[in-house]
Amino acid sequence: AQKITQTQPGMFVQEKEAVTLDCTYDTSDQSYGLFWYKQPSSGEMIFLIYQGSYDEQNATEGRYSLNFQKARKSANLVISASQLGDSAMYFCAMREKPGTASKLTFGTGTRLQVTL
Amino acid sequence: AAGVIQSPRHLIKEKRETATLKCYPIPRHDTVYWYQQGPGQDPQFLISFYEKMQSDKGSIPDRFSAQQFSDYHSELNMSSLELGDSALYFCASSSGLAGEEQYFGPGTRLTVT
Repeated sequence: AQKITQTQPGMFVQEKEAVTLDCTYDTSDQSYGLFWYKQPSSGEMIFLIYQGSYDEQNATEGRYSLNFQKARKSANLVISASQLGDSAMYFCAMREKPGTASKLTFGTGTRLQVTL
Repeated sequence: AAGVIQSPRHLIKEKRETATLKCYPIPRHDTVYWYQQGPGQDPQFLISFYEKMQSDKGSIPDRFSAQQFSDYHSELNMSSLELGDSALYFCASSSGLAGEEQYFGPGTRLTVT
């Protein structure tokens, strides 16, 4: 079974609008971490935001916020006031096995296109 | 702020050759991760090190080996290269085992011809 599921292969949003990128996850661990990364066409992986499973508040970083719904096992990324530079591939990822330098498991990504 | 450094940024090799990729983590980061991203794919975990010891291992071929040195930099050695090894290879680093923020380097794009 997929550990990280991103059901939106592609999304369009108009400049200045907000957009939500979906991510659901599957784990039996009680302690885990959820990450979002942005990958522009140039290829680098840019860390956006992190949510720990025990964090009671949703993580926010500037225009990025993470809508964490633990019971539903979802960790959606919300980008407010979209900009043309937000056009990129976005990956949701999960880290299990806390206390070890354990891997990130990535979803298949969502390609976001911001339009004028 | 200092970021993860990877060298070289681009590498072209022929089949059956060897390649060495280098990674310099963010200063004071003691944990290094290697990922492989094929064309149109999501990154796949290869291996990680914490305090110079291997910590976790993923789908790393036996032809590949890696280590972390005393200065915390890491090298990924790839031998008997195959066409399928063509990919973007990322190194990421974090501080400690919590790894709440894993920062990726710019990647090394390896092309095997």
